[in-house]
Amino acid sequence: AQKITQTQPGMFVQEKEAVTLDCTYDTSDQSYGLFWYKQPSSGEMIFLIYQGSYDEQNATEGRYSLNFQKARKSANLVISASQLGDSAMYFCAMREAEFPNAGGTSYGKLTFGQGTILTVHP
Amino acid sequence: NAGVMQNPRHLVRRRGQEARLRCSPMKGHSHVYWYRQLPEEGLKFMVYLQKENIIDESGMPKERFSAEFPKEGPSILRIQQVVRGDSAAYFCASSPRPGPYNEQFFGPGTRLTVL
Repeated sequence: AQKITQTQPGMFVQEKEAVTLDCTYDTSDQSYGLFWYKQPSSGEMIFLIYQGSYDEQNATEGRYSLNFQKARKSANLVISASQLGDSAMYFCAMREAEFPNAGGTSYGKLTFGQGTILTVHP
Repeated sequence: NAGVMQNPRHLVRRRGQEARLRCSPMKGHSHVYWYRQLPEEGLKFMVYLQKENIIDESGMPKERFSAEFPKEGPSILRIQQVVRGDSAAYFCASSPRPGPYNEQFFGPGTRLTVL
């Protein structure tokens, strides 16, 4: 089963409107982190927002907010007041508490979804 | 505080040559992760290293790929005898601590093209 699923290959939004990018995840861990990254056409990976599995409040960072529904295992990204510069690929990622050796240190590699291409129209 | 540095940004190799990709983590970060992004795909984990140790290489192809993070100097991802299928963007990320609640900071990536 896919650990991170982003079901929207592409999304379109009008400038100044809000848009929601979907992300569902699959884990049996109790401790995990959920991340959203933006990848513009220039190719770099830009961190946007983070949600910890034990956080009771939805994370917010400026125009970005994360709609975290733990029981449904979803972590949707909401971008308010879209701007032309928001046009990019968006990746949802999860970091689990993995222990490579019994009693060892948790390290947690990131597992990424396939991404959603967001296009903002003027 | 400089971010994660990767060089070169673009690398062109002919089939059969070697590719060396370098990553300098952020100051104070001793945890380095390498990811590969094939065209039109998400990033896939390759290897996780701490200084002088490979902790998890479960995402590395069994042959031709190796990684190191020496006590001094950058982390190196080495691809021997490159093939066209190795063409991809290779990203390095560093983290101050390894747990699930800590952000990984990404470098700009190295775009490898194999002719």
